[in-house]
Amino acid sequence: AAGVIQSPRHLIKEKRETATLKCYPIPRHDTVYWYQQGPGQDPQFLISFYEKMQSDKGSIPDRFSAQQFSDYHSELNMSSLELGDSALYFCASRWTGAGNTIYFGEGSWLTVV
Amino acid sequence: GQQLNQSPQSMFIQEGEDVSMNCTSSSIFNTWLWYKQDPGEGPVLLIALYKAGELTSNGRLTAQFGITRKDSFLNISASIPSDVGIYFCAGQGRNRDDKIIFGKGTRLHILP
Repeated sequence: AAGVIQSPRHLIKEKRETATLKCYPIPRHDTVYWYQQGPGQDPQFLISFYEKMQSDKGSIPDRFSAQQFSDYHSELNMSSLELGDSALYFCASRWTGAGNTIYFGEGSWLTVV
Repeated sequence: GQQLNQSPQSMFIQEGEDVSMNCTSSSIFNTWLWYKQDPGEGPVLLIALYKAGELTSNGRLTAQFGITRKDSFLNISASIPSDVGIYFCAGQGRNRDDKIIFGKGTRLHILP
């Protein structure tokens, strides 16, 4: 079965650079979530989209932005990167018509040096 | 905001032992989810619970949705080496686009 696809899997950027992470949800899923997980931490909610509209916002820095496109894929844009942005970034998706089960991608490792 | 208290934080057990972990919340959730995460990988869904009182099994794993909707537990029977990892409970509210709130995780170690 198709899963949530994230790219790239690994990314190394320098401080003050910009990074873009992509997420392709499971086909037919209408909701996308972004989470950030620092080393040894639990995943922290950043932002979510339902039917291409932002539906909720968590602890997402102002330097970050995200959007969901017409084909339902989503991109997380991170600018003016800081060392503390180094983390595993997860995308998750859900189809609201099938209960509340959320499925996660394998994550994108961002290392800021 | 909503918070989940997951315990224990870590467990050291012998292979073959049974394991129990739980999550409690001050808020009501409509859905309880249990995930396992291996290092560098995304959380993998183990069990999803949708109704208060629901008891669901997945192989050697059993989880229950508490009657009060404020707690859930996960049991693993006859642990094996591949059970090592971090187990997260997660709760979701009643609105269809509600985000998932994660517990802090239980790190399971199996002693040789």
